[in-house]
Amino acid sequence: VQMTQSPSYLAASPGESVSISCKASKSISNNLAWYQEKPGKANKLLIHSGSTLQSGTPSRFSGSGSGTDFTLTIRSLESEDFAVYYCQQFNEYPLTFGSGTKLEIK
Amino acid sequence: EVQLVESGGGLVQPGRSLKLSCVASGFTFINHYMAWVRQAPKKGLEWVATISSSGTRTYYPDSVKGRFTISRDNAKSSLYLQMNSLKSEDTATYYCARDDWFAYWGQGTLVTVSS
Repeated sequence: VQMTQSPSYLAASPGESVSISCKASKSISNNLAWYQEKPGKANKLLIHSGSTLQSGTPSRFSGSGSGTDFTLTIRSLESEDFAVYYCQQFNEYPLTFGSGTKLEIK
Repeated sequence: EVQLVESGGGLVQPGRSLKLSCVASGFTFINHYMAWVRQAPKKGLEWVATISSSGTRTYYPDSVKGRFTISRDNAKSSLYLQMNSLKSEDTATYYCARDDWFAYWGQGTLVTVSS
């Protein structure tokens, strides 16, 4: 399953809201996760099952979608949210990731 | 607190072998599938292998199938990745992860394949 993530780069200001898209080449039901990558820190699972917030994930993060189209939305960006985000499908092997979205401060 | 600590990375020549280890703590290791994920320099994440909780089932992408072997020692709460016939494109930071939605990741160990 190919995972097409967009945009690859996103610039926004604190307080703004942003959305990241992830499209699967075939239906993956809701077997999708979103991760945050920050330098010097272990990767962090934000959302699984398409829309279920992992324990500890702030409520400004939300996930939506099922089948082939998924979206990660971050409302009211905070400084700690500027990072790289990846989607990943868990529906079938081989497990595949999106190419990543780098969220930078405008 | 869940901890995953990888080790064993380093510089290795093309065609040679290397074995990575990951020691887990803070959870009941035998209850969980485990996985390896890698990230080449300046690139995205790539899943490398998964092993069932008992170790009887393993899964690989085509890019490493036949060259890499994932294994585990539940008595030692340890996960391993034996990498043979290494290629330059295997250069990456290798992470172990607990395979319940990859909820936990280690900090990674760098493998550099170069002559």
